[in-house]
Amino acid sequence: GAVVSQHPSWVICKSGTSVKIECRSLDFQATTMFWYRQFPKQSLMLMATSNEGSKATYEQGVEKDKFLINHASLTLSTLTVTSAHPEDSSFYICSAWSEDSTDTQYFGPGTRLTVL
Amino acid sequence: SQQGEEDPQALSIQEGENATMNCSYKTSINNLQWYRQNSGRGLVHLILIRSNEREKHSGRLRVTLDTSKKSSSLLITASRAADTASYFCATAPQYGNKLVFGAGTILRVKS
Repeated sequence: GAVVSQHPSWVICKSGTSVKIECRSLDFQATTMFWYRQFPKQSLMLMATSNEGSKATYEQGVEKDKFLINHASLTLSTLTVTSAHPEDSSFYICSAWSEDSTDTQYFGPGTRLTVL
Repeated sequence: SQQGEEDPQALSIQEGENATMNCSYKTSINNLQWYRQNSGRGLVHLILIRSNEREKHSGRLRVTLDTSKKSSSLLITASRAADTASYFCATAPQYGNKLVFGAGTILRVKS
């Protein structure tokens, strides 16, 4: 199946700093990438939908100025958590979808963010 | 976005037993998917069932879908310790490709 990678797999940062997380589709071109956040023992919550070459669409309650998403190519989307605070500590997961993959989204392994 | 509900929230069984998890949702769907997540890891796609299908099998997995009741079930037969994980259902809408995830069921298979 298609492979999606995320980098880094974990990151620890100080409060107030910005952190960038990369999501790459390794063997296919992703028309759309999705960013999810998952708190401990909870389900995945969709944060935003990212289409190549256009602005991301954010879900209600997600601050677009805090969670900057860039989808510059068909294989790479980045999520930047700006001015991170401890409450932003979470597991961030991306997924990638292409028209060729029909109904299946391919998920990355996730990035564990800890803000001190 | 509305989340579906899954039950039970947690399930503990002995190796070799069957495990059944249920998922309910609220809106019309194009398909419903089941995923597995090991602790601290990403999601693994298990099976997809379309709205016009009622049952689907994949190895030890059996999924049913009842669109009239807006519910689905995942049955894992002859469970193994390696099946220990969280299981999520996710629904895809009739139009668009955003998934809505259920709350998940934590399955523990004791050896």
